Amino acid sequence: GQNIDQPTEMTATEGAIVQINCTYQTSGFNGLFWYQQHAGEAPTFLSYNVLDGLEEKGRFSSFLSRSKGYSYLLLKELQMKDSASYLCAVRGGATNKLIFGTGTLLAVQP
Amino acid sequence: ETGVTQTPRHLVMGMTNKKSLKCEQHLGHNAMYWYKQSAKKPLELMFVYNFKEQTENNSVPSRFSPECPNSSHLFLHLHTLQPEDSALYLCASSQVTSGRWGGELFFGEGSRLTVL
Repeated sequence: GQNIDQPTEMTATEGAIVQINCTYQTSGFNGLFWYQQHAGEAPTFLSYNVLDGLEEKGRFSSFLSRSKGYSYLLLKELQMKDSASYLCAVRGGATNKLIFGTGTLLAVQP
Repeated sequence: ETGVTQTPRHLVMGMTNKKSLKCEQHLGHNAMYWYKQSAKKPLELMFVYNFKEQTENNSVPSRFSPECPNSSHLFLHLHTLQPEDSALYLCASSQVTSGRWGGELFFGEGSRLTVL
């Protein structure tokens, strides 16, 4: 089966850097996604990693290590609007399903 | 107009009622999904449709009945639900390609369901 773990909550300060970790177990790995979800809104796509290494997109970067079953999302120069839930999701398994973790609720404080 | 539109945004129903959730995507995608989001739980995949054909039923109870009349519309028919079915129901769409990455999902804002 597939299993994803990420911290439930994190707090960080405006202007700082925060790293949200995600560990996973799956067979037939076909990529890891990060989504952002503000309260009461739809999840929106942030990043996709299928090869090892770091993908940078503006203030957000995502890292993947397939051998360790590990990813992180790095948010730089934090802004108040970054307060949201960050969902880690993995595609894989026999039917290539996209399975989500519980999400990490990030609170950015002044 | 948003890419994926869900109606109603909020629904309260009794356990004996029959109601339906509607999803419409304006992105020209060929796959549509229903997910259930409950507090403190991961998003749970319920159903997947590719080119109007159901390709995934994730052991969902029969009181939830999906319908996909075309690639742009998806319904979730609800009947004799239980209070524990109260949750946010999210619809999503994607463009399935020949690659295994499956495409990114575009979500609607969800239908908040309360079962009394």
